[in-house]
Amino acid sequence: DTEVTQTPKHLVMGMTNKKSLKCEQHMGHRAMYWYKQKAKKPPELMFVYSYEKLSINESVPSRFSPECPNSSLLNLHLHALQPEDSALYLCASSQGDRSYEQYFGPGTRLTVT
Amino acid sequence: RKEVEQDPGPFNVPEGATVAFNCTYSNSASQSFFWYRQDCRKEPKLLMSVYSSGNEDGRFTAQLNRASQYISLLIRDSKLSDSATYLCVVIGNTGGFKTIFGAGTRLFVKA
Repeated sequence: DTEVTQTPKHLVMGMTNKKSLKCEQHMGHRAMYWYKQKAKKPPELMFVYSYEKLSINESVPSRFSPECPNSSLLNLHLHALQPEDSALYLCASSQGDRSYEQYFGPGTRLTVT
Repeated sequence: RKEVEQDPGPFNVPEGATVAFNCTYSNSASQSFFWYRQDCRKEPKLLMSVYSSGNEDGRFTAQLNRASQYISLLIRDSKLSDSATYLCVVIGNTGGFKTIFGAGTRLFVKA
């Protein structure tokens, strides 16, 4: 089973709202990732968690706040977003953070109004 | 220069054709290489890992040339269902193991 689940599938939020994206995997993977993908562009890495510790933050604005409560769960807390943050947010997981294949969830399509 | 560059697309090919995609990477310390496919409005799905010895999975063959820093994907006997965007992915070791996607190459297979 290579399933990564994400909720919600779609999210519309205003610039003053606070919301959270959730990601879950039950493959025993120890690395989890957040990516942002704009239309007709490839995914761009935002954060990497390895063994529940933040190992990479690709200079993401602080209005995006990741959290890894345990090895199966990954959250992305959103606050005071801008319209240009509208995108597909993808979660992925892999056995480790080094050389392993990543498996992606279906994504959350976020619209900021 | 971009860290990972792919052939510009789109590629328009008839069913049954053989099509090849290339991808170059700039970081010689890169560790791992993959091909993903992404259908419109869907998530990327792993197609295959790429090894120096080359690997084959049915109609798909991937090759890695570390000396020239490029990877390739060959699709034989193209099917309509192969129409998708093909993404080259490189994991490099520069300040952490970062995953970098190429811009992707769009493939259209026509009947």
